[in-house]
Amino acid sequence: SAVISQKPSRDICQRGTSLTIQCQVDSQVTMMFWYRQQPGQSLTLIATANQGSEATYESGFVIDKFPISRPNLTFSTLTVSNMSPEDSSIYLCSAVRGGGGGETQYFGPGTRLLVL
Amino acid sequence: GENVEQHPSTLSVQEGDSAVIKCTYSDSASNYFPWYKQELGKRPQLIIDIRSNVGEKKDQRIAVTLNKTAKHFSLHITETQPEDSAVYFCAASIDFGNEKLTFGTGTRLTIIP
Repeated sequence: SAVISQKPSRDICQRGTSLTIQCQVDSQVTMMFWYRQQPGQSLTLIATANQGSEATYESGFVIDKFPISRPNLTFSTLTVSNMSPEDSSIYLCSAVRGGGGGETQYFGPGTRLLVL
Repeated sequence: GENVEQHPSTLSVQEGDSAVIKCTYSDSASNYFPWYKQELGKRPQLIIDIRSNVGEKKDQRIAVTLNKTAKHFSLHITETQPEDSAVYFCAASIDFGNEKLTFGTGTRLTIIP
């Protein structure tokens, strides 16, 4: 298994500001992802964090709003930019060690964000 | 892209009875189907998964079945216990080696003591 930590665990932010969320995995993984889970809802994939290159974003998510970095095989950051109350959500990172298909995807504990 | 539907959205069962949650997917190329359990305020935890070359998989009180022709898969929990109360999500992976998961809408399972 992979042990994944996230910082911060929660934050309250003012609209118009930005927040960077960090995701750290205890060992090297091939793939890392960022998801959003709005209150009482399911998980929606924001993007795949690619090591050493630009992230791959899903439909409805753009780099200007959610810039992502992945400088190495164990660490990634997600920034929520120019926040509005609609960005209030739980943001989760996940990681897959293999990449050969059907590999277990482990999740971080999430960052609970409230935008006022 | 892939679309995963999940039913029911809520389910209440008496302790000791069985619970069944069903999911359908849209893309026949999907080949990996995990189930996650999420307790309140916690991260999703994988409880069981199945690949497209297998029709059924069982792990103690939990089983998953897959019907590729009909494009649906189900989670079965037998002899339910209060600690089974949680939200359960099914998911499907369409890209072999890509690992992107499309999640169902979730089922809130409540076990009545």
